[in-house]
Amino acid sequence: KNQVEQSPQSLIILEGKNCTLQCNYTVSPFSNLRWYKQDTGRGPVSLTIMTFSENTKSNGRYTATLDADTKQSSLHITASQLSDSASYICVVSGYSSASKIIFGSGTRLSIRP
Amino acid sequence: DAGVIQSPRHEVTEMGQEVTLRCKPISGHDYLFWYRQTMMRGLELLIYFNNNVPIDDSGMPEDRFSAKMPNASFSTLKIQPSEPRDSAVYFCASSPTNHEQYFGPGTRLTVT
Repeated sequence: KNQVEQSPQSLIILEGKNCTLQCNYTVSPFSNLRWYKQDTGRGPVSLTIMTFSENTKSNGRYTATLDADTKQSSLHITASQLSDSASYICVVSGYSSASKIIFGSGTRLSIRP
Repeated sequence: DAGVIQSPRHEVTEMGQEVTLRCKPISGHDYLFWYRQTMMRGLELLIYFNNNVPIDDSGMPEDRFSAKMPNASFSTLKIQPSEPRDSAVYFCASSPTNHEQYFGPGTRLTVT
């Protein structure tokens, strides 16, 4: 069964600290993995997208890694800011079919001053 | 570009009423997706279109739900009759390919 599991479910850290969010998936065949940031009351916004051949991609203070062998991805946030408080959703797509899009349940990140 | 536009942003209706949600995708995007998000189930893909043609509607929960895309700049998601369990945030997203997606602000639907 195609699944995407994210951990932790929620996380609270102090402003300025780093954190890492995890995503494990069983989607096969694999096409790409995306990380989205969703602020409260808004639609998700894409942070990174990685295909099978990519193992790291950065977007400012956000760095995503992908290990296609172990089917694991992580999103590392450096020097967190209050505006990083949001839900982070891992999305895995199966090969060549938009309908095989599996969403993780998200990690709720709260940044405390 | 203004991004994906959805209307209304909030909708409150009584059980049994018809509800129509609207979406204007980003110009030039060939793909349009409808999602539903709830606390219990997270984000779920309901249906997607490619060049105005419905490709996969296997996520549509039941016959009470229907979606149309009469042209490249407009799509609707209709629920008739609505039920309290349909209460959720409904997102529309568009994409130039079938991978990178741009989400609208969502419509928060409450059915009482």
